[in-house]
Amino acid sequence: DVKVTQSSRYLVKRTGEKVFLECVQDMDHENMFWYRQDPGLGLRLIYFSYDVKMKEKGDIPEGYSVSREKKERFSLILESASTNQTSMYLCASSLLSQGDTIYFGEGSWLTVV
Amino acid sequence: AQTVTQSQPEMSVQEAETVTLSCTYDTSENNYYLFWYKQPPSRQMILVIRQEAYKQQNATENRFSVNFQKAAKSFSLKISDSQLGDTAMYFCAFMGIQGAQKLVFGQGTRLTINP
Repeated sequence: DVKVTQSSRYLVKRTGEKVFLECVQDMDHENMFWYRQDPGLGLRLIYFSYDVKMKEKGDIPEGYSVSREKKERFSLILESASTNQTSMYLCASSLLSQGDTIYFGEGSWLTVV
Repeated sequence: AQTVTQSQPEMSVQEAETVTLSCTYDTSENNYYLFWYKQPPSRQMILVIRQEAYKQQNATENRFSVNFQKAAKSFSLKISDSQLGDTAMYFCAFMGIQGAQKLVFGQGTRLTINP
């Protein structure tokens, strides 16, 4: 089975802190994604990566950055956390082939106070 | 840009009933993929069913089936003989074949199956 593991399920951070959300997949997938999930808005893509050291902006990249130093690991960074970044963050991965299933992690609940 | 719309924020049915979740989308592409994902409470999002736009036949996975109407840009999910374990958020999603393989999601429908 594909496993996408997000290191932290629940985090509480203070405004202005730098926050790292880590994600690891074990299926040698080329694509990795970070989504943000908010009630009534569904999931919105923050950043994605199709290869090591490659990254592309999604629909809502402002206030976020990412890092992909190894194929299996994709990190989301909040440079200076703000209260409007309180949300559920979902990591996902997939193969490079068209239409392939995207597999999700369990999610990280981030509260910024 | 593609958009996906789920017009039913919440639905509730009795166990064993059939329920249909609606989804419409907008795209100028001719070939693409459509998905339904399920997110149970406090659990991982999983794929329910996938449809390839160039296939006429509606996809089916056990109790789950879709009604894909390409001209109307509609992609509804039917759950037959609903079970308590079907209680979840359901998301409709679109993936184009041009450019990056990313999913565009609808707002979600919270489905509750009552005993």
